[in-house]
Amino acid sequence: DTAVSQTPKYLVTQMGNDKSIKCEQNLGHDTMYWYKQDSKKFLKIMFSYNNKELIINETVPNRFSPKSPDKAHLNLHINSLELGDSAVYFCASRQTANTGELFFGEGSRLTVL
Amino acid sequence: GNSVTQMEGPVTLSEEAFLTINCTYTATGYPSLFWYVQYPGEGLQLLLKATKADDKGSNKGFEATYRKETTSFHLEKGSVQVSDSAVYFCALSVPNTGNQFYFGTGTSLTVIP
Repeated sequence: DTAVSQTPKYLVTQMGNDKSIKCEQNLGHDTMYWYKQDSKKFLKIMFSYNNKELIINETVPNRFSPKSPDKAHLNLHINSLELGDSAVYFCASRQTANTGELFFGEGSRLTVL
Repeated sequence: GNSVTQMEGPVTLSEEAFLTINCTYTATGYPSLFWYVQYPGEGLQLLLKATKADDKGSNKGFEATYRKETTSFHLEKGSVQVSDSAVYFCALSVPNTGNQFYFGTGTSLTVIP
């Protein structure tokens, strides 16, 4: 069983389209994150939820909207995709906001043409 | 503030060479320190961690010691293998900082036979 699973693993789409990435964790963790990794492998935190409550909302265009229907799921919706949105998006979870390490999903590679 | 400074890469070593990747941190409070590894095409995996000063984390032949006096958490391995080729990230977590988990910029390691 995969602890943190993301779908889809690959997305290729045109500029201006809307896309969603889904994330689920079966670890019973309270806290979930979205990170963006650019081509130089730099990791940038985007959002974090704790028990469905938004805790971290970094400087991210409002075209990006996270949604956490329950504490096991954190989805990311992106409107009006731009070339610069091309990246690998990682979901991660953590036992609580202050406890333990992050567990990462395998990533979703988004390519905007 | 809280941050991690990591040795810049890329690093190229011959098989069986000694590896050191430097990591220093600044933190308010008492951080936990982590090393993550990212193999090509995969998500980040926890390699090792240390939660208090003088703790040594170890895994798969890698070691790092939490040095409060030098605010460092350098990663070492005595004899690297081709299969260790990956990107290595140093990270820290400080309690009561609102879910934040701080990553370094990553160091790419290539081991050649």
